Amino acid sequence: GNSVTQMEGPVTLSEEAFLTINCTYTATGYPSLFWYVQYPGEGLQLLLKATKADDKGSNKGFEATYRKETTSFHLEKGSVQVSDSAVYFCALSPPQGGSEKLVFGKGTKLTVNP
Amino acid sequence: GAGVSQTPSNKVTEKGKYVELRCDPISGHTALYWYRQSLGQGPEFLIYFQGTGAADDSGLPNDRFFAVRPEGSVSTLKIQRTERGDSAVYLCASSQGTHRRTDTQYFGPGTRLTVL
Repeated sequence: GNSVTQMEGPVTLSEEAFLTINCTYTATGYPSLFWYVQYPGEGLQLLLKATKADDKGSNKGFEATYRKETTSFHLEKGSVQVSDSAVYFCALSPPQGGSEKLVFGKGTKLTVNP
Repeated sequence: GAGVSQTPSNKVTEKGKYVELRCDPISGHTALYWYRQSLGQGPEFLIYFQGTGAADDSGLPNDRFFAVRPEGSVSTLKIQRTERGDSAVYLCASSQGTHRRTDTQYFGPGTRLTVL
């Protein structure tokens, strides 16, 4: 079946540190891949996405590249800020027809200290 | 423009009672999804509507759960004979529904359901 595995948190970094949150997936074929973010007290919002192999999604200084060879979609940011503190979810949309649902990982909580 | 709205934001009920959770999607979005998020977990899919019809209800856990979208806009998730294990945040999302596999899903703030 389709599944997403994220690195377990929580992750605590100092401001301006480099961030990597690992995400790997299992799917038949080539799914679309997403990173969603949930800031404290707010709803889930899309951070970035990639819909085909080798695509790079980017937004707000975050990047992730769709790697079909390693079935990965790791999230990176070169210099985190306190305002990046949130829970990050990796998700996929299965490639087969009829299943437009998102399949989410468990989430990784990031805390950035000043 | 207005985002996805959900009411109520919090619902506390007693075991065995019936509850209804409402979702108002972004205007013009034909696709609507319900998810359930338990503490410390990612959202889990429940049901997907394209227009008025349920295109995929494979995530509904049992027949106590039912959802409708009679006019292709607002949707209601209905839970009968609630159990303590139903306690979770229920999320609604909508998307344009044109390129379903790649469309962005926009999420509402959720309804936190607590079953005592």
